[in-house]
Amino acid sequence: EPEVTQTPSHQVTQMGQEVILRCVPISNHLYFYWYRQILGQKVEFLVSFYNNEISEKSEIFDDQFSVERPDGSNFTLKIRSTKLEDSAMYFCASRIQNTGELFFGEGSRLTVL
Amino acid sequence: GESVGLHLPTLSVQEGDNSIINCAYSNSASDYFIWYKQESGKGPQFIIDIRSNMDKRQGQRVTVLLNKTVKHLSLQIAATQPGDSAVYFCAEPLRNYGQNFVFGPGTRLSVLP
Repeated sequence: EPEVTQTPSHQVTQMGQEVILRCVPISNHLYFYWYRQILGQKVEFLVSFYNNEISEKSEIFDDQFSVERPDGSNFTLKIRSTKLEDSAMYFCASRIQNTGELFFGEGSRLTVL
Repeated sequence: GESVGLHLPTLSVQEGDNSIINCAYSNSASDYFIWYKQESGKGPQFIIDIRSNMDKRQGQRVTVLLNKTVKHLSLQIAATQPGDSAVYFCAEPLRNYGQNFVFGPGTRLSVLP
């Protein structure tokens, strides 16, 4: 069964460092998303991406965040200068059209020290 | 609503009993709702969805009920099994008729043997 894959599964970084989280969405999907979940809290929308551009972003997604689809398969989330409060599980998701089921990856846990 | 921090509402049920998980949503104009299941250490997994022109939808062992009058969703799981133990989130569009979602705070379902 096709699935969304994410790497790394866990990354530990120092405050102020840049981090790139990688995702490979399901191959025929066209809409891509990043969500995050701070430990014990609800899943929060960060950004959606379609046709090589951001279609919507939340207040969390400030200038420190960026997304890119550098090739036909990868979808990345970059945090330019990490803060302690960026520690969370980051989930990538994709879907074939802009309605219906979102397929989530297993997540990348980011720990900022 | 805001997150409930580290203390999720918890529902404990005996194996074989039916479970009912409730969710209040905030936007009366929301037209589509999804229930997700999140097992420990994994990404959210789609369970069932419902459009606002319906008040009930059934899947395999699950039923979602929508009461638009009081902005309430419920997820009913029949004959609850140990594998149903997880956190369950409802999700509604981020904005009116939007395609991105905001998740509720979640309910932890524990199935007792």
